[in-house]
Amino acid sequence: DGGITQSPKYLFRKEGQNVTLSCEQNLNHDAMYWYRQDPGQGLRLIYYSQIVNDFQKGDIAEGYSVSREKKESFPLTVTSAQKNPTAFYLCASSIAPGHSSYNEQFFGPGTRLTVL
Amino acid sequence: SQQGEEDPQALSIQEGENATMNCSYKTSINNLQWYRQNSGRGLVHLILIRSNEREKHSGRLRVTLDTSKKSSSLLITASRAADTASYFCATDNSGGSNYKLTFGKGTLLTVNP
Repeated sequence: DGGITQSPKYLFRKEGQNVTLSCEQNLNHDAMYWYRQDPGQGLRLIYYSQIVNDFQKGDIAEGYSVSREKKESFPLTVTSAQKNPTAFYLCASSIAPGHSSYNEQFFGPGTRLTVL
Repeated sequence: SQQGEEDPQALSIQEGENATMNCSYKTSINNLQWYRQNSGRGLVHLILIRSNEREKHSGRLRVTLDTSKKSSSLLITASRAADTASYFCATDNSGGSNYKLTFGKGTLLTVNP
């Protein structure tokens, strides 16, 4: 059963705490992405990774950190420096450029983070 | 910054009717995609149209692209209650990273039984 999974589905955090959101894919995709979605809004790119051990900041990287130690995994840490972290977080993956469908992104089910 | 902007923001129709959503963007693109999102779920890819294509079909979906006007439309024919969802357009930037997509704010479609 191939796909991309995120855990947990719901996450509650106290102010001042760091939390890590999990994202795993078994699609053998090279590229992975983290997006943030606020109510009634589109997706905003936080970080993306084209290959293992490499990642780049997206449009709203402040207060977030990532790692890409394995091809299958791209965890996102929401740090206490992120002032407004309550949102829906989506992870996605895609094949590397050069493939005919490299632009298509496959999404996980999302993690809803609430700061108490 | 948001590259794609969909309109309308919300659309309510009866089952069996057609639904048309529009997307406008600002910079040159290699391709444009449409995604669907059911409430509280991840996005699902629907269709991709390349900059050298003008129209594409997939089942009940028809997408058009006008690069001179920097706009695209998504038509869903013979809509069903199960089509109720938010629909997003996403564009790459032909002058930028091949990996990055920019999403619009979406159109919320409600199909009433």
